[in-house]
Amino acid sequence: DAGITQSPRHKVTETGTPVTLRCHQTENHRYMYWYRQDPGHGLRLIHYSYGVKDTDKGEVSDGYSVSRSKTEDFLLTLESATSSQTSVYFCAISPGTTSEAFFGQGTRLTVV
Amino acid sequence: QQQVKQSPQSLIVQKGGISIINCAYENTAFDYFPWYQQFPGKGPALLIAIRPDVSEKKEGRFTISFNKSAKQFSLHIMDSQPGDSATYFCAANLLSNYQLIWGAGTKLIIKP
Repeated sequence: DAGITQSPRHKVTETGTPVTLRCHQTENHRYMYWYRQDPGHGLRLIHYSYGVKDTDKGEVSDGYSVSRSKTEDFLLTLESATSSQTSVYFCAISPGTTSEAFFGQGTRLTVV
Repeated sequence: QQQVKQSPQSLIVQKGGISIINCAYENTAFDYFPWYQQFPGKGPALLIAIRPDVSEKKEGRFTISFNKSAKQFSLHIMDSQPGDSATYFCAANLLSNYQLIWGAGTKLIIKP
């Protein structure tokens, strides 16, 4: 398995609280992605990074921010969690844009 | 123009049969078309991928058929097995872009 670890794996949080999800890789891949997966919607891109401190928005970025201060870590922050952000979040890494993307195990986030 | 439309949403096939999942796209600039397989509780994993300069690619029991003029591509699983039961995603990518555009997914069930 590709060296990619997501933490935490499960989290329950209250509406209005900030939440940070972490993605750590040991592959030294340039590209890192955060997706959310919801029934009927497949995978939707939240934010992505194409290098240290180089990030950009995906199709569902509202309410989320990211940071990448090191090649190996990509953090996703929900500034003020809402129930609509209850989802399974996946981090993915890739050495190139047309290369295989490797996914983490996912984080199941529940906002109550 | 950026969408990838995947069908069917769900599919039930008898063991030993052929499973066929279809995807259609609009943007003729897409130049990389992967298929990912996802088992429950896991992240998606690359199954097979094709570039538009070939019409077919086969890896074991899995085949991608690509029709450039119709802007369609499909996944065929020959001699389908219960272990193939999973959710399958098609995707497409622009060489100049950093992100994959995903289909909504197909839940495949192989009945023994």
